Amino acid sequence: GESVGLHLPTLSVQEGDNSIINCAYSNSASDYFIWYKQESGKGPQFIIDIRSNMDKRQGQRVTVLLNKTVKHLSLQIAATQPGDSAVYFCAENADTPLVFGKGTRLSVIA
Amino acid sequence: DAGVIQSPRHEVTEMGQEVTLRCKPISGHNSLFWYRQTMMRGLELLIYFNNNVPIDDSGMPEDRFSAKMPNASFSTLKIQPSEPRDSAVYFCASSSRGRGTEAFFGQGTRLTVV
Repeated sequence: GESVGLHLPTLSVQEGDNSIINCAYSNSASDYFIWYKQESGKGPQFIIDIRSNMDKRQGQRVTVLLNKTVKHLSLQIAATQPGDSAVYFCAENADTPLVFGKGTRLSVIA
Repeated sequence: DAGVIQSPRHEVTEMGQEVTLRCKPISGHNSLFWYRQTMMRGLELLIYFNNNVPIDDSGMPEDRFSAKMPNASFSTLKIQPSEPRDSAVYFCASSSRGRGTEAFFGQGTRLTVV
């Protein structure tokens, strides 16, 4: 049912460790996926994207994995830094514009 | 490029007043989106335009909300009359295509209706 408020799942990671943020998407027709990072007081910023004909894509310190069978997306951040602290959103795109997930808050412990 | 520019950054208004939020998309982008972000509902798509034409406004919560895009470089989101439950951060985003490409977001307008 409806939650009273949007309680974001929180991931706490030690500085220097790797982070893995997971996302379940809903539309099996979605063929394009994006991870966004949102810092406090700012708009979402693009991190990395992946199309449905791929299952893995790497960027600088980040990797996105796509499992279409179970409709699951993950973002891996290597050597997490304090500047990585933010809320991370996955977004999917089918016939409509980007639909955003609820987000995960990443907290980096120095 | 300066990115997507929104104004004002903050708006405090009294219930019943008209509020107009403004957005300048990235030059050359032909798709523009208005999103609303709240703690209760996260990021919700309100409306989007392709080539200045509204394509889907099913996310607009009520008739009190309206959006226009008179040209490729300007869009407005208007709330009339405003209510306290409209308090949220409103984001404008643009992309070079409606789907299949990333959307670039502005810094948002934080609206508080008292």
